[in-house]
Amino acid sequence: DIVMTQSPLSLSVTPGQSASISCKSSESLLYSDGKTYLYWYLQKAGQSPHLLIYEVSSRFSGVPDRFSGSGSGTDFTLQISRVEAEDVGVYYCMQGTHFPYTFGQGTKLDIE
Amino acid sequence: EVQLVESGGGLVQPGESLILSCAASGFDFTAYNMNWFRQAPGKGLEWVSYISRTTLTITYADSVKGRFTISRDNARSSLYLQLNSVTAEDGAIYYCARGKAHWGRGTLVTVSS
Repeated sequence: DIVMTQSPLSLSVTPGQSASISCKSSESLLYSDGKTYLYWYLQKAGQSPHLLIYEVSSRFSGVPDRFSGSGSGTDFTLQISRVEAEDVGVYYCMQGTHFPYTFGQGTKLDIE
Repeated sequence: EVQLVESGGGLVQPGESLILSCAASGFDFTAYNMNWFRQAPGKGLEWVSYISRTTLTITYADSVKGRFTISRDNARSSLYLQLNSVTAEDGAIYYCARGKAHWGRGTLVTVSS
C-alpha cells in the first residue's frame, strides 16, 4: 500500500498569515493516463470531509482561491494564504491513483 | 444539488451483520463510480470499498475483504454496503462518496456486546 506522510501534524496560524502542509507519498502518484490523483480535504469539527483540491492543483467548486495545491510525483503541498477563522479543522491528503486509496494522518490547523 | 444520505448504522454485536444504504439524488447516479469511506472515533480517514458505475470493477480494503460487500441499484440511485462478521475495529462513521468529491454526512456503526 502507498503510505502518505503529512507534516506538520498540527499548525497554529495567526489570521491573515499563510500556512503550508506537506504530503509525501511512498510511491509516485502519476497514473498511466498522465494524471496525478492527489486530493486535499478539510474536515471541520462534527462534519464530513469536503474536497478542496483534486489532481494536485485543481480547486474544487466553491473553494476560495486562498487554497492552492502544488507538487508532483511523490511530494505535494497545500498552501493556504490569508488564513481565516473558518479554515480551522483537520486537513487530509489522499492518493487515489492506486488501490487501496490511502490518506495522510491529518494536519490539525487552529487559529492563534 | 448533490445529496448523499447514509442510513442503516446503529449498535451491532461482534460477529453480527448490518447493511448500510446511501440514497443519492441531484445527479445521474448511473454516471458515477462510488466509494465507501470510514472514520473510527477520533481517528483518521480510511477508504473501504469502490464500485464502478457499471459494477464491473469492485474492490475492497484488505481490512474488510471477505466480510464486506458493496453493491448498487442504479434504478433506485442507491449504494449499499453489507457488513458481515463485524469486529470492534469496524466501529466507525461510514461515509458514501460520489467518486472522491462529494461525501455524505455519514452513518455511525457501533460494535459492542
